[in-house]
Amino acid sequence: AQTVTQSQPEMSVQEAETVTLSCTYDTSESNYYLFWYKQPPSRQMILVIRQEAYKQQNATENRFSVNFQKAAKSFSLKISDSQLGDTAMYFCASDLEAGSYQLTFGKGTKLSVIP
Amino acid sequence: EAGVTQFPSHSVIEKGQTVTLRCDPISGHDNLYWYRRVMGKEIKFLLHFVKESKQDESGMPNNRFLAERTGGTYSTLKVQPAELEDSGVYFCASSPSGSEQFFGPGTRLTVL
Repeated sequence: AQTVTQSQPEMSVQEAETVTLSCTYDTSESNYYLFWYKQPPSRQMILVIRQEAYKQQNATENRFSVNFQKAAKSFSLKISDSQLGDTAMYFCASDLEAGSYQLTFGKGTKLSVIP
Repeated sequence: EAGVTQFPSHSVIEKGQTVTLRCDPISGHDNLYWYRRVMGKEIKFLLHFVKESKQDESGMPNNRFLAERTGGTYSTLKVQPAELEDSGVYFCASSPSGSEQFFGPGTRLTVL
């Protein structure tokens, strides 16, 4: 089975600082998508950013950017200028299973932004 | 545009009882997915509908779980009879195509 690993159960960052969340994965596929989802305390999970594996350029969405290292199977999320509203669970996910659209998730990283 | 909605938000039932969870996807999304997160573990895939057809049900844990999507609109997930290990948060997601999935708020199921 394909796996996604988030090795940091909890992290904290000072407001306005930068934080990086780690994610590694295991797959034998060459084409897949990678995602970072955010689940604030209110529970609705929303997509933060996505990366297509065949694209070498790292995806960026405003203060959120990724460092995608395909050979190393690493997909980290960098949050710049952290804001209080960034406090949430962050899940790394990917559609790693061949022929399936199901997402495989990591266990999540609980990020707290400290004022 | 309304997002994915789920009902109820929280359900508490006794072991052996039946519970039915409902998911309304975003209008026009043919793909509908069910996932589950048991306390402290990863979010796990349960199954995938394309319109009213089950495309992939490889994640369904056992035959106590029955998912339906009559007419290709909303979906229900029935657990009968519920066991203690079924407790968790059940998420529904929908997508117009195969990549980006939009998630609902989840239903927290507690089996006592």
